Formats: sequence, C-alpha cells, structure tokens
Amino acid sequence: TQLLEQSPQFLSIQEGENLTVYCNSSSVFSSLQWYRQEPGEGPVLLVTVVTGGEVKKLKRLTFQFGDARKDSSLHITAAQPGDTGLYLCAGGRSGGSNYKLTFGKGTLLTVNP
Amino acid sequence: NAGVTQTPKFRILKIGQSMTLQCTQDMNHNYMYWYRQDPGMGLKLIYYSVGAGITDKGEVPNGYNVSRSTTEDFPLRLELAAPSQTSVYFCASKTGEEKLFFGSGTQLSVL
Repeated sequence: TQLLEQSPQFLSIQEGENLTVYCNSSSVFSSLQWYRQEPGEGPVLLVTVVTGGEVKKLKRLTFQFGDARKDSSLHITAAQPGDTGLYLCAGGRSGGSNYKLTFGKGTLLTVNP
Repeated sequence: NAGVTQTPKFRILKIGQSMTLQCTQDMNHNYMYWYRQDPGMGLKLIYYSVGAGITDKGEVPNGYNVSRSTTEDFPLRLELAAPSQTSVYFCASKTGEEKLFFGSGTQLSVL
C-alpha cells in the first residue's frame, strides 16, 4: 500500500500569515494532485504536477513537486479566510486503464479573520 | 452543467437494511469511482469503473457492490448495512486526463 503522509494534520492561523503544508511518501508517483474540500462538498482539484522539481503558482498558492517525485508542498502567501478548508494531496500511478489515486489524510486549515 | 450528481444527500439506516446510493454524470466520462471518507482518514477507494459494463474492486470493497450499465450511472449498493459503513460517500468521474470531478457526497449513518 502506497502511503501519503500529510503534515500538519491541523493548522489554525490569522489572516495575512503565510503557511506551508507537506505531502510525503516513500513511493514514486507519476503525478501529484492537490485538492481543496469545503464542508458539505466534494474535493475540488487545485493543481496537478507531473515533473520532478516542478513549481506551479495559482494566485497566492505555490505548489512544488519534489525532484524524486515522492513529495510535494503547498505554500499559501497572505492567507485569507476564504482559504479555509481541507487540503488533500493525491498521488497518481498512471499506465493502463486502471488509473487510481492514493489520497493523503488531509490538512485542515482554518484562517481566522 | 450539472457535473456529478449524488442522491440522497443524507440517509439513516438501521443495521441489516439495504440501500443504493445513486451517482450520475453528464460529462460523458468513461472513468467513475466511489470513495468513502471517514474523519481524519482521507478518501478510500471502494470500487471503480473504466467504462460501461466494466467494474473492479478498490481498496475497501467488502460490504458493497456496484454496477455500470450505462456511461452516465454508477450506483453503489449496500446489502446488509453495518455501523462500520457509517461514512461520507463520494462519487467521482474523469476523462482520460487525471482531473477527478467529485459529487457533493452522501452522508450515511448506520444505527
């Protein structure tokens, strides 16, 4: 079983602060995705990274895929209350028709006004 | 565009009862998935399908069954509900690309 460990599990910060959450594994993934989930809703894809060392930016969010494609980080600059939610990373092993994702347990972020 | 639609939104079952969680998508996606989400445990794959008539077990299939008679629909069946099946269930679909589209979930309690 491929495991994705996310840290921290919980994070509560004030509006305007910066933060980084991590997603680590001992396995290599062909791609890594980050999702955000709000209460009562399903996860929504934020970004997919596929190349070792890749960095992608989405407004105030910066995503990085580790060189060895085993880990990833999500950095949020100047967090806002609207960033509150559960952040899930998911590793993909493509090839063939049975593509499946392995999800981490998530980081629950609360941004206080 | 409705995307992935799940019904019901909430359900309470007694131990031993059966029910079907409905999932339909209008994006003509070949791949469909059922996950369960328990507090602090992330998403676990129950069953998945790569096209009409083709299904396969995921990580936690025991106690569940699925069918895929059409591209649009992928119902999940619980035959003998147990307290361990109390969870939030998500259906998802995708094309050949890697982006998953999730429904809004079904919260199930088995008492």
